[in-house]
Amino acid sequence: EPEVTQTPSHQVTQMGQEVILRCVPISNHLYFYWYRQILGQKVEFLVSFYNNEISEKSEIFDDQFSVERPDGSNFTLKIRSTKLEDSAMYFCASRGQLKPYEQYFGPGTRLTVT
Amino acid sequence: RKEVEQDPGPFNVPEGATVAFNCTYSNSASQSFFWYRQDCRKEPKLLMSVYSSGNEDGRFTAQLNRASQYISLLIRDSKLSDSATYLCVVIYNTDKLIFGTGTRLQVFP
Repeated sequence: EPEVTQTPSHQVTQMGQEVILRCVPISNHLYFYWYRQILGQKVEFLVSFYNNEISEKSEIFDDQFSVERPDGSNFTLKIRSTKLEDSAMYFCASRGQLKPYEQYFGPGTRLTVT
Repeated sequence: RKEVEQDPGPFNVPEGATVAFNCTYSNSASQSFFWYRQDCRKEPKLLMSVYSSGNEDGRFTAQLNRASQYISLLIRDSKLSDSATYLCVVIYNTDKLIFGTGTRLQVFP
């Protein structure tokens, strides 16, 4: 069964450093998302992406965040200057067109900012 | 008022029990509803969509009451493997998923 993959599984970085989280969505999917979950809290939407541009973003997704689809398979989330409060699990998700509201999640990247 | 509210639990039930979770949502314009399951430190996984007419998938039954802005999930004949956090998820007018905080279920032998 096709699945969303994410790398790395765990990233430790120092405050102020840039990080790039990588995702490979399901191959025939066209809609891509990033969500995050701070430990013990709910899953929160960050951004959606379609046709090489951002469709929607949340208040969390400020100008420190950016997304990119650099080639036909990868989808990345970049945080330019990490803060302690960026520590969270970051999930990538994708969906197809046949079932428009069924999003499939990757296993997540645990980001720890020290 | 929170967009999606759930009783955090935990619900501790013996194997074979029937357990029900509830969820309320604040925006009456909500269009689509789902239950996701999340195991500890894992990604959310789609369990089932929720339709106005109610729907069943094996031991799982989901119901939607639009008038009361209420969604439910019923699990019959609970298994140890059902132990997880159950997330109520709503979509309004775009495709971003709005999650509740989840209800934790622990099934014991």
